[in-house]
Amino acid sequence: AQKVTQAQTEISVVEKEDVTLDCVYETRDTTYYLFWYKQPPSGELVFLIRRNSFDEQNEISGRYSWNFQKSTSSFNFTITASQVVDSAVYFCALRPGGGADGLTFGKGTHLIIQP
Amino acid sequence: EAGVAQSPRYKIIEKRQSVAFWCNPISGHATLYWYQQILGQGPKLLIQFQNNGVVDDSQLPKDRFSAERLKGVDSTLKIQPAKLEDSAVYLCASSLEGTGSYEQYFGPGTRLTVT
Repeated sequence: AQKVTQAQTEISVVEKEDVTLDCVYETRDTTYYLFWYKQPPSGELVFLIRRNSFDEQNEISGRYSWNFQKSTSSFNFTITASQVVDSAVYFCALRPGGGADGLTFGKGTHLIIQP
Repeated sequence: EAGVAQSPRYKIIEKRQSVAFWCNPISGHATLYWYQQILGQGPKLLIQFQNNGVVDDSQLPKDRFSAERLKGVDSTLKIQPAKLEDSAVYLCASSLEGTGSYEQYFGPGTRLTVT
């Protein structure tokens, strides 16, 4: 069975602060994929990043960065110099490498960026 | 490129009534997913299609939910009869192929309220 835990239900920071969203996952698969999605108030899920289980390199994209650590089964997401437009619910998700491959989502972290 | 289309966007019905949702995936995407997102939770996979065949429907409440993708393109999800606990957003997603390396693109969702 697969499981994704996002322990932070809600985080509130002031604009320009850095913020890290935690994600811990459980799986028995040796090949799997991890994802982060953003869900703004409009409701549509927006894909942010995909990482496969064989690639532990951290990734940076503008103000966003991701830290994948297999040893601790974590895939954390950091926003640097947060902006009000970053306010949304962020979901971490897990997907097996083969066969039926629907996403298993965490419960999400509601990020509030205050001006 | 057009995204995943869903209709209707909103639906209000009384319990024990029937309802149907429609999804048109991104052109050329072989794999289609239906997810249920209850308020405050992450989306949960209901069913996955590969072309017009079912890959995974292990979490679909088959006594009341049904789904079809007859021509391998658009899909319909039906609930009959609806219960109060079916109130949720129903998300449709598609991906190029049913392998973990491809990201899923989500539609805007249908918000169902059962009274």
